[in-house]
Amino acid sequence: EAQVTQNPRYLITVTGKKLTVTCSQNMNHEYMSWYRQDPGLGLRQIYYSMNVEVTDKGDVPEGYKVSRKEKRNFPLILESPSPNQTSLYFCASSRRGDTQYFGPGTRLTVL
Amino acid sequence: GESVGLHLPTLSVQEGDNSIINCAYSNSASDYFIWYKQESGKGPQFIIDIRSNMDKRQGQRVTVLLNKTVKHLSLQIAATQPGDSAVYFCAENPPGGGYNKLIFGAGTRLAVHP
Repeated sequence: EAQVTQNPRYLITVTGKKLTVTCSQNMNHEYMSWYRQDPGLGLRQIYYSMNVEVTDKGDVPEGYKVSRKEKRNFPLILESPSPNQTSLYFCASSRRGDTQYFGPGTRLTVL
Repeated sequence: GESVGLHLPTLSVQEGDNSIINCAYSNSASDYFIWYKQESGKGPQFIIDIRSNMDKRQGQRVTVLLNKTVKHLSLQIAATQPGDSAVYFCAENPPGGGYNKLIFGAGTRLAVHP
């Protein structure tokens, strides 16, 4: 089944404790993105990647890192999480020139 | 489910009626637009898209209209069903960043009543 998977789906952590949210797609898509979703603000793009080793900042990249060492994986790294990064996170992927397909989401709470 | 719908504008319709959800986009140079549907506890799901060289595109029970003059996008759902209840987002693809760069609207909640 073609899909985008994220892990974990739910995470509660404390300020300053490094964490990684994984994202994997099995569709051989070149493009991958990370978004955060907050009430009343819609989805805001954090980072995106157009291919292996090619990443760029989205609209809200501060406090986040990404890497794209393999085509199928695009992990989101929070080196020192803060409470304002409490949010719902979505990973998405697409073929070049095609629409994006979203994962199921990761609910992160930073205490 | 996740509380992504707090403080969203809500459109309430009767089952069987047609629904029209509107969206104003920000960048006059955007050339690709998408409508997504998000059900509670799930990620956004693609509904329909349209490129800037068109002003109308139809899918199954859905139609997207694009008015570039006033930077307005609308989604029409025919014969709305209870399963259409969700939050709907429009997204635009501005210049730069390829098709991967999307800017989303805040969303509209559609509530379908029997």
